[in-house]
Amino acid sequence: NAGVTQTPKFRVLKTGQSMTLLCAQDMNHEYMYWYRQDPGMGLRLIHYSVGEGTTAKGEVPDGYNVSRLKKQNFLLGLESAAPSQTSVYFCASSLQGARLSTDTQYFGPGTRLTVL
Amino acid sequence: AQSVAQPEDQVNVAEGNPLTVKCTYSVSGNPYLFWYVQYPNRGLQFLLKYITGDNLVKGSYGFEAEFNKSQTSFHLKKPSALVSDSALYFCAVRDYNDMRFGAGTRLTVKP
Repeated sequence: NAGVTQTPKFRVLKTGQSMTLLCAQDMNHEYMYWYRQDPGMGLRLIHYSVGEGTTAKGEVPDGYNVSRLKKQNFLLGLESAAPSQTSVYFCASSLQGARLSTDTQYFGPGTRLTVL
Repeated sequence: AQSVAQPEDQVNVAEGNPLTVKCTYSVSGNPYLFWYVQYPNRGLQFLLKYITGDNLVKGSYGFEAEFNKSQTSFHLKKPSALVSDSALYFCAVRDYNDMRFGAGTRLTVKP
């Protein structure tokens, strides 16, 4: 049981390049989330998914797109990277999400992205 | 919208001493509060959560948190700190799909 895994661990992009971050979970969780972590700001929710085939915007969605084609995978895309997107990105999953506001989220190890 | 605040960027304690990491919250309804810990180059790990009931919540690694409704606080505590407790601690409040995190408090436990 690997929990939540993220690929890649590190990435350096040039401004304007695109990339996709992959998140996978093997806990059969319905809900998945993408956060970014910046110094002094805690974690901020980018997008989330309440189930296969569904996605929704979080607190800071601009410049990102997501897809949830399979229940176990949640992809985060940057179409045209900008230096402001330099951050550490965390994926998380939870069993039920909104139907149970007390549901615990489980986090992946993170992806450190630098945009030059 | 709900929010949490962690008033201290850094907390330093000596090993064996009690520790407290502070968190205050602001919500319009029932508060669902969480504490997470982050070790270097790792993701966040769940420590404990408050849903309802007892104001003292016990969690992993000997940590506990005290919910105080009148002071809108949810401080994290441990009776005797270990050097291995040194990490970044985040308080969070949940409202359906919206989880809001504090900025984090770096705890350093010195031998």
